[in-house]
Amino acid sequence: KAGVTQTPRYLIKTRGQQVTLSCSPISGHRSVSWYQQTPGQGLQFLFEYFSETQRNKGNFPGRFSGRQFSNSRSEMNVSTLELGDSALYLCASSLEHSGLLHFGNGTRLTVT
Amino acid sequence: AQKITQTQPGMFVQEKEAVTLDCTYDTSDPSYGLFWYKQPSSGEMIFLIYQGSYDQQNATEGRYSLNFQKARKSANLVISASQLGDSAMYFCAMREAITGFQKLVFGTGTRLLVSP
Repeated sequence: KAGVTQTPRYLIKTRGQQVTLSCSPISGHRSVSWYQQTPGQGLQFLFEYFSETQRNKGNFPGRFSGRQFSNSRSEMNVSTLELGDSALYLCASSLEHSGLLHFGNGTRLTVT
Repeated sequence: AQKITQTQPGMFVQEKEAVTLDCTYDTSDPSYGLFWYKQPSSGEMIFLIYQGSYDQQNATEGRYSLNFQKARKSANLVISASQLGDSAMYFCAMREAITGFQKLVFGTGTRLLVSP
């Protein structure tokens, strides 16, 4: 069974631009969540989607948004990029009730 | 208040020895889960072991065991017979029932270096 797939692996963007990251969950997993990892703040929860609905959100500004499609694939978008948005963005999927998160390899975003 | 505390920024161990990575947590939710993940330099978070708050026995998964002391609110990871491939960052995380299934709160991590 294929794991969680995140694309692209690396991104370089300029301040003020926007970016979209993609996540394909493990087949059969309907829950997808996103985390941001930075050296200063560590790993922080961004949001969680289930059946195309956001059901949990972390403490991030509105520039961070996401969505989930009917096939459970998810995208997250960051608008008006700031230097502080440089981070490793990790996507995780799980079965509805297991609570066990399976993570992807992440997308490393660099904002210059 | 920090919910997950990992006080060891770095740990060194020789191959084949056992090592304990510390984790303490803070929650008022009686239903919670504790996780340990390994993050190699590639970035992927690899699940190692899980302990539920109502589990009576300490969790074990191969060379990994979790020393769960509920009254002390600690959930230390024990790696037996360390291998060179165990060199990585290790994160302790907690999920509280009240905040939902997928919201994990992570500690700051411990970097483990296994030497030959």
